[in-house]
Amino acid sequence: SYVLSQPPSVSVAPGKTAGITCGGNNIGSESVHWYQQKPGQAPVLVIYYNSDRPSGIPERFSGSNSGNTATLTISRVEAGDEADYYCQVWDTNSDHPVFAGGTKLTVL
Amino acid sequence: QVQLQESGPGLVKPSETLSLTCSVSGGSVNSGSYYWSWIRQPPGKGLEWIGYMYNGGSTKYNPSLKNRVTISLDTSMNQFSLKLGSMTAADTAVYYCARVVPVAIEIAWFDPWGQGTLVTVSS
Repeated sequence: SYVLSQPPSVSVAPGKTAGITCGGNNIGSESVHWYQQKPGQAPVLVIYYNSDRPSGIPERFSGSNSGNTATLTISRVEAGDEADYYCQVWDTNSDHPVFAGGTKLTVL
Repeated sequence: QVQLQESGPGLVKPSETLSLTCSVSGGSVNSGSYYWSWIRQPPGKGLEWIGYMYNGGSTKYNPSLKNRVTISLDTSMNQFSLKLGSMTAADTAVYYCARVVPVAIEIAWFDPWGQGTLVTVSS
């Protein structure tokens, strides 16, 4: 089964840029999707297909994917961006989804 | 837009079977364009995929749960359901239902999600 890894935590000051990474073997050849989960709430899709944003998601959220690392970038970070972020791919071999362990974003 | 809502018991005894239902509004579970999935999250932990239903009746389950899980569709009620047998304390989690958007064989994501329901396993 395909394995994804994320750093447990990332901290950033308000107004700065946060980068949350998602590692996997040749993940650049996969399609990566990102979810934001605020405390006590369900996950919300913020990036799909590596870099596309669903309607209603601010342009401050962007994604990239190359080599062995996919990255979710949040520009001009706000206090309301504090949440857990999860990356996800679809494992072609097993035909099922794979989630990484998640990264807690703390806004200082 | 499509909305999903989980319902079911908040407390289950060890060894019993959990039954949850996901009601879908604003869209049809009969749509061949989507899959319908269950995901859970133990307290303080990450997301674990349970399984999904597609093509109106085919299913795919997490191998670690495969012997205990059943997902079914009720098109008349526009719902889909989860049954998880032989529950233990390790199954205590928030259970989410979600729609899967499959663009291609290896490209699929979850959107939207239900609000989730906490299930506690305790005698």
